[in-house]
Amino acid sequence: NAGVTQTPKFRILKIGQSMTLQCTQDMNHNYMYWYRQDPGMGLKLIYYSVGAGITDKGEVPNGYNVSRSTTEDFPLRLELAAPSQTSVYFCASSYSSPQETQYFGPGTRLLVL
Amino acid sequence: AQKVTQAQTEISVVEKEDVTLDCVYETRDTTYYLFWYKQPPSGELVFLIRRNSFDEQNEISGRYSWNFQKSTSSFNFTITASQVVDSAVYFCALSEAGYGGATNKLIFGTGTLLAVQP
Repeated sequence: NAGVTQTPKFRILKIGQSMTLQCTQDMNHNYMYWYRQDPGMGLKLIYYSVGAGITDKGEVPNGYNVSRSTTEDFPLRLELAAPSQTSVYFCASSYSSPQETQYFGPGTRLLVL
Repeated sequence: AQKVTQAQTEISVVEKEDVTLDCVYETRDTTYYLFWYKQPPSGELVFLIRRNSFDEQNEISGRYSWNFQKSTSSFNFTITASQVVDSAVYFCALSEAGYGGATNKLIFGTGTLLAVQP
């Protein structure tokens, strides 16, 4: 079991560029989440999904989009990168609900210049 | 509103000292879950414990112990005989069961940076 995997580990983007952060889990979890972590802060929820084909906004969704075509994959898309999106991005999954333990990927460090 | 407060931004101890990390939470729900995660310098988030609101028994796992007190809305974490490998940021988090407005999120505190000096 690889758990939750994320690619890339690190990326530098120029303002206005777009990119997709990949997330895959092999635990057959129904729920998946994207968080961002800014320096000195806790994690904030960007988007989440309760199953394939179903996604919803979290606390800080602006500037991001997601899709969930399979149980395993939950990519996060940044359309027009802005310096405010410089952060560390974590993908997580849980079996049935946010009240279950969420298991996190290793994170993607994104720098927008 | 749900909120998690970790008032200790940074703690520095010497190896073998005991250290307690504080966590105070706010929620209107009667059913909720509390978590602790560890984030070592390598950056990943490691799950430590999950506790539901109906289970107030203290938990011990090796050198780690957790004290859950509903009366003070606290879920404190103690490391006994700290080691250098315990150096990390520790996050407390809260998830409500959904009464009074379902919430599909885990609310994190801002974390406590623990530095254990040799």
